[in-house]
Amino acid sequence: DTEVTQTPKHLVMGMTNKKSLKCEQHMGHRAMYWYKQKAKKPPELMFVYSYEKLSINESVPSRFSPECPNSSLLNLHLHALQPEDSALYLCASSPLRDGTNEKLFFGSGTQLSVL
Amino acid sequence: GEDVEQSLFLSVREGDSSVINCTYTDSSSTYLYWYKQEPGAGLQLLTYIFSNMDMKQDQRLTVLLNKKDKHLSLRIADTQTGDSAIYFCAESPGRQLTFGSGTQLTVLP
Repeated sequence: DTEVTQTPKHLVMGMTNKKSLKCEQHMGHRAMYWYKQKAKKPPELMFVYSYEKLSINESVPSRFSPECPNSSLLNLHLHALQPEDSALYLCASSPLRDGTNEKLFFGSGTQLSVL
Repeated sequence: GEDVEQSLFLSVREGDSSVINCTYTDSSSTYLYWYKQEPGAGLQLLTYIFSNMDMKQDQRLTVLLNKKDKHLSLRIADTQTGDSAIYFCAESPGRQLTFGSGTQLTVLP
């Protein structure tokens, strides 16, 4: 299995809703990432988990809450989002075996719309 | 993406070669990467090059690296309609990737 699977593929939520994005990989990768991507822009790093511990939080607002229950799963909990949070949310994983060669494998993303 | 620059658009005819250029800033990047993103999809790692190399060839893809000028290019030979996508170069200072702004490649019949 060489895939990173994200669910749901599309999500529409109101500003008062609570929802979660899910990501799963079975490649034995020990680093997992959340990126946010606006249309026609490059991905922006949000969070990095290394060995199930949060290692990087790129000053992301607290309405986004990541969780890494185990080495295969990564969640992003959403609460009280704003319309400007509408974007494609990408999950990625990497082996953390090759020194500085961080080959990231991406899921196909969750397209989020906040109304 | 402001530290890694790419031109935004490129159009080529089917069967021609495409050359996508990238200028990066961090000379400490050990590896440099090219990713492809098709509409509605995530990013797919196409190829990467070790910073001590000048060139890497992988089937239709050729990566050239000019470390002195911090210039990276991706050449796609015999470009096909399936190659239409956004192509991102990325540098890797430390363990994190910094992506360029992306080049939208359009392949015309």
